[in-house]
Amino acid sequence: KQEVTQIPAALSVPEGENLVLNCSFTDSAIYNLQWFRQDPGKGLTSLLLIQSSQREQTSGRLNASLDKSSGRSTLYIAASQPGDSATYLCAVTYSGGGADGLTFGKGTHLIIQP
Amino acid sequence: DGGITQSPKYLFRKEGQNVTLSCEQNLNHDAMYWYRQDPGQGLRLIYYSQIVNDFQKGDIAEGYSVSREKKESFPLTVTSAQKNPTAFYLCATTRGPYASGANVLTFGAGSRLTVL
Repeated sequence: KQEVTQIPAALSVPEGENLVLNCSFTDSAIYNLQWFRQDPGKGLTSLLLIQSSQREQTSGRLNASLDKSSGRSTLYIAASQPGDSATYLCAVTYSGGGADGLTFGKGTHLIIQP
Repeated sequence: DGGITQSPKYLFRKEGQNVTLSCEQNLNHDAMYWYRQDPGQGLRLIYYSQIVNDFQKGDIAEGYSVSREKKESFPLTVTSAQKNPTAFYLCATTRGPYASGANVLTFGAGSRLTVL
């Protein structure tokens, strides 16, 4: 069964820094990978979706990359701001399953210090 | 909340009581899902439905029940058989089934259930 790991579990950096969040998965047979943001006590907001045939996606200060062969994805946040503080989760749609083929990581809790 | 309304936002239950969480969507999405989130844990799938009048168990369906009588609605009942129901419950939708490469999950704001 697909396993998704996110490192680090928590990260605290000063405002303005560029940072990288990591997501790794055990089975490279995926349809796509999504990055989500979750604010405390809220639902998840989709940030970026990378299809299995793509290498990266960009949205504003966010850039997500995908390396299927190594089972890794990174979320790069440029010029971090206090408003970026949240938990970031990645989820992999596993081609071996149906709706239950979507597997989430446990998330990285990010704090941007003003 | 992306066209998905979950209610109530907070719910307290005494042991032995059944409770129903509501999820309504106006996105005209075919598929709907219920996830459970515990502190420090990833989301775990409870039930999902890809079409009206059909639903499938996820990884942790025991102690839960659902119905899908209308495309817009997918209520989740937490029964007394669920031994540890205190958690954050999230409803989500996709335009099509997961197997579609372009599917994006859209989430509601969640319902927090606390058992007293």
